Formats: sequence, structure tokens, C-alpha cells
Amino acid sequence: ETGVTQSPTHLIKTRGQQVTLRCSSQSGHNTVSWYQQALGQGPQFIFQYYREEENGRGNFPPRFSGLQFPNYSSELNVNALELDDSALYLCASSNPGGWSTEAFFGQGTRLTVV
Amino acid sequence: AQSVAQPEDQVNVAEGNPLTVKCTYSVSGNPYLFWYVQYPNRGLQFLLKYITGDNLVKGSYGFEAEFNKSQTSFHLKKPSALVSDSALYFCAVRDNNNFNKFYFGSGTKLNVKP
Repeated sequence: ETGVTQSPTHLIKTRGQQVTLRCSSQSGHNTVSWYQQALGQGPQFIFQYYREEENGRGNFPPRFSGLQFPNYSSELNVNALELDDSALYLCASSNPGGWSTEAFFGQGTRLTVV
Repeated sequence: AQSVAQPEDQVNVAEGNPLTVKCTYSVSGNPYLFWYVQYPNRGLQFLLKYITGDNLVKGSYGFEAEFNKSQTSFHLKKPSALVSDSALYFCAVRDNNNFNKFYFGSGTKLNVKP
């Protein structure tokens, strides 16, 4: 198991609601990114946070937003939930010591929008 | 743009037989290639990576991968499959401009039968 932890593990929300997902990165990792994995697909990059600022974003609308805190933990917020937002949301952290390092993933949060 | 492709949705192999899970990539610049495994209701676990050097990379749990620049491939292999290897396997390439951004393939489900 990696040191990346996510909460909650499962969540059910109603269309139109807002949701906040949380991630604690592995010790020493100051870069955190979020991915959406829809059923039967590979993870898709949402955005990345480095030193509390977003510094890279995938093809996701602005209703997907995030935060990173001084302790490098992070939140993913999704507003105005849609049915298609139902997916496994994965958080990943890396040690920016070099491009050869791998990313460490949490176990994910399964979001179901009904 | 960078991308990876996994041409097989599913691979079936008998326990004890060798296995191969295929991956091809498209990158501009140096390829940083990774394999991850996902067990049901779990996050992604790192298996191995190719950064530079020897074209045969050895990783966790007896897995290895062969980097072939001329064929732009990075196939995952194991000499003798175990039933416990049954899982979903993802090939990924790191974005050359964004440290924690990975492009994932659609995944290959490996079924190892006793």
C-alpha cells in the first residue's frame, strides 16, 4: 500500500449537488494530481497542484476545482453534479525530485450520482 | 500530443504459461513509460517504468517490460502467470511538460485460469 489516502471511499450524491473529495499525499510529496476513471476506461487527468497552486489542467469544466493545503493534502470539489460525473476519483502524489519517479495513487473515491 | 494504446481489452492465459499485455505509445520527446495494475475496488499500483537505458525493464511480482523504440511499444511480460495476477493493467506515459500528468491507456483485463 502507498502512503496516499483518500476519503471517503464511497459516496452517493444527487444530480445538481456539490461534492468534496479529500486526499492526503505521501510524506514528502508536494505535488498532487487528480484523475477521473469512468467505468471501463483508463484514468483521465483532471488537474495538478504544486505548492498550493494549480499548475496543469486536463479537459474538465470549471465546475471541477481543487485546493492544496500547506501540508500538501488536497481537495477536489465538483459543483452541479451530473450523472456522467459518476466515476472512481483517484489522487496521485509524486516526489518532484526527478522525472524518473513514479506517481503513487490512493485507493480512490467511488462517486455515484443519481 | 502524447498517448498510449492498449489494443486488447482482455487477455486470457493459463496458469504457468507466459503472458504478454501489449502497449504502444506516441510521444514527442523522450518517452517516460509506466505500467500500473488495478485490483477490484482498489487504486493503481506501480509495477515498473522505463526512463532510459536497458530496453528490458524488471519490476514487481516478476513482471518485466520490453521497450522497443522502432515499434513504439512497451509490452508487459511475465514468464509464468499466476492466478493472482488476474487484474486490470494500465500502460501510461508521462507528459513531458507536466510532471504529475500521465496519459493512460484504456486498460487490459488479464484473466489467468487455473
